[in-house]
Parts: sequence; structure tokens; C-alpha cells
Amino acid sequence: ETGVTQSPTHLIKTRGQQVTLRCSSQSGHNTVSWYQQALGQGPQFIFQYYREEENGRGNFPPRFSGLQFPNYSSELNVNALELDDSALYLCASSWGTGSINGYTFGSGTRLTVV
Amino acid sequence: GIQVEQSPPDLILQEGANSTLRCNFSDSVNNLQWFHQNPWGQLINLFYIPSGTKQNGRLSATTVATERYSLLYISSSQTTDSGVYFCAVEAFNSGYALNFGKGTSLLVTP
Repeated sequence: ETGVTQSPTHLIKTRGQQVTLRCSSQSGHNTVSWYQQALGQGPQFIFQYYREEENGRGNFPPRFSGLQFPNYSSELNVNALELDDSALYLCASSWGTGSINGYTFGSGTRLTVV
Repeated sequence: GIQVEQSPPDLILQEGANSTLRCNFSDSVNNLQWFHQNPWGQLINLFYIPSGTKQNGRLSATTVATERYSLLYISSSQTTDSGVYFCAVEAFNSGYALNFGKGTSLLVTP
């Protein structure tokens, strides 16, 4: 079975621009969660998508938005980029919501905003 | 929200040494997991351990839910154990979000 794949691996954007990050979930998984990890910090929960609907959201502004597609892959969109958005963005997939079913994490997209 | 504190923040060991990493959390949890983040950024799940003790090779973990802490033991450390170890909890009132600590950065030297 394939794992979680994220693209691109690295990205440099200018403040004020918009960015789209992509995540292909592991085969058989129907839930995707997104996390932001700033340098030297633990990951912070952005939101979760289950069966194409947002199923929970962390303390992030509305300019962070997402989508989940019928094949359960997902996108994270960030508008009006700020310097503080520079971070590693991690995607995790699972079968069903809740960590009891186990999360598989991707290697992340490292976003730098200049 | 729930607070997750890990100690120590940094640890340097010589190959073959043993170590104990600690995770304290401030509220009741549905679940607790330990992860290892490799140099490429990927989080690898080590243990799903809301309570009790588990062992997997040289690694073992114990969670005492009533006292709100968990310990990760690494025995006979190897250079490949280097990386950042995270404790993450799913609180009863936080939906399905994992709340991570700041991690313990471990360096094992030859």
C-alpha cells in the first residue's frame, strides 16, 4: 500500500500571495488532517476533512481553507500569505476520524514566505 | 486547551546508553501517542498508549493516565534513534485534533 504523499516538497512564496498544498491519502483512508509545524515547535492542528466535509478546525484564521476530493485526496489553501506562515505543513490520513484508527503522516511541504 | 509539556527539550547520548523521555499533560485524554520525526520531517508513530505499558524492541512506553504523564524509554540507543520525539494527545473536548508537545531533540553520538 502507498503511504501519504505531499506536494510540493519545498515552496518559496512572497508575502501576500496565495498557495495551494496537496496531499494524497494512504490507500483505504477516508480522513485527512492538516498540521502546521513552525521551526522548533510541535505540529499544530489546522483542520480535518472526513468524507469531503470539514470535521473540526484549530485556531487558524479563515484565510486557511481546504478541500477534500471524492478520492479522499486533499488541498490546503492559504491566502494573503504572511511571514509567520513559513513552516512545515504536514498532512495525515486515517480510516475514520479520531486517532484510535491510527494516523499516517506524510513528509510535509516546507513553505517559506519572503 | 490542553497543555502538553515534554522534557528534557534536548538530550545528547553516547551510543549504547539508555534514556527516559517524559510527557506531562494537563487534562484527561482519549488517546496518547509517541512519534519520532525523522530528518526528512516525517512523523512515525511509535506507540498508541492511552494507558498502561507497551514494548517494541528497544523502545517501551508507559502512560499513567490518572497522574497525567507518559514516559518513553529508549534502551541501548543507536545513532539511528537521533531525531525529535513528540508526545501528542487527543483531549476529550478537542474533537479529533492531536495536541503536540514541543518535542525532545535527541542526538546519539557514535
